[in-house]
Amino acid sequence: GNSVTQMEGPVTLSEEAFLTINCTYTATGYPSLFWYVQYPGEGLQLLLKATKADDKGSNKGFEATYRKETTSFHLEKGSVQVSDSAVYFCALKIQGAQKLVFGQGTRLTINP
Amino acid sequence: EAQVTQNPRYLITVTGKKLTVTCSQNMNHEYMSWYRQDPGLGLRQIYYSMNVEVTDKGDVPEGYKVSRKEKRNFPLILESPSPNQTSLYFCASSFGDRVNEQFFGPGTRLTVL
Repeated sequence: GNSVTQMEGPVTLSEEAFLTINCTYTATGYPSLFWYVQYPGEGLQLLLKATKADDKGSNKGFEATYRKETTSFHLEKGSVQVSDSAVYFCALKIQGAQKLVFGQGTRLTINP
Repeated sequence: EAQVTQNPRYLITVTGKKLTVTCSQNMNHEYMSWYRQDPGLGLRQIYYSMNVEVTDKGDVPEGYKVSRKEKRNFPLILESPSPNQTSLYFCASSFGDRVNEQFFGPGTRLTVL
């Protein structure tokens, strides 16, 4: 089946630290990959996406590269801010499917 | 303002008492969906709808019903709630099959005692 596995949380960092949140997937066919962010008390928002191997998605200083050989889509940011504190979800969509498959989410807290 | 609204935002109820969580979107989206979010499990899809009068089961449909009589509304119905349905529920919508670009509502936190 199709599934997404994210690194265990919660993750706590100091402001300006480097961030990596690991995400690996199992999928039949060639999925599109996504990162969503959920700020406290809000619904999910699409953060970035990549639709084919070696694509790099980027937004708000965050980046993730679609690695087919390692079935990974790790989220990175060079210098985090307190405002980046949120829950981050990795997700995939199989072509032709009518739904997203989400990972379990990783809670990120940035301390000033 | 483009948005997905859910009501109520918070609800505490008792086992067996029927309830409805409403969802409405103002973006003329064809696709609407309900998810539940539980710690350690991420978001799991309950039901989805491709258009008016077209609904289908997601991954965890047991104990839930939905209807899509109008394009803008997609209510979630719990006929006989049980404690294992205590969760955070999200409604989402998107155009056509662009499900990766779903707009999410703010969530409804449901507690069933």
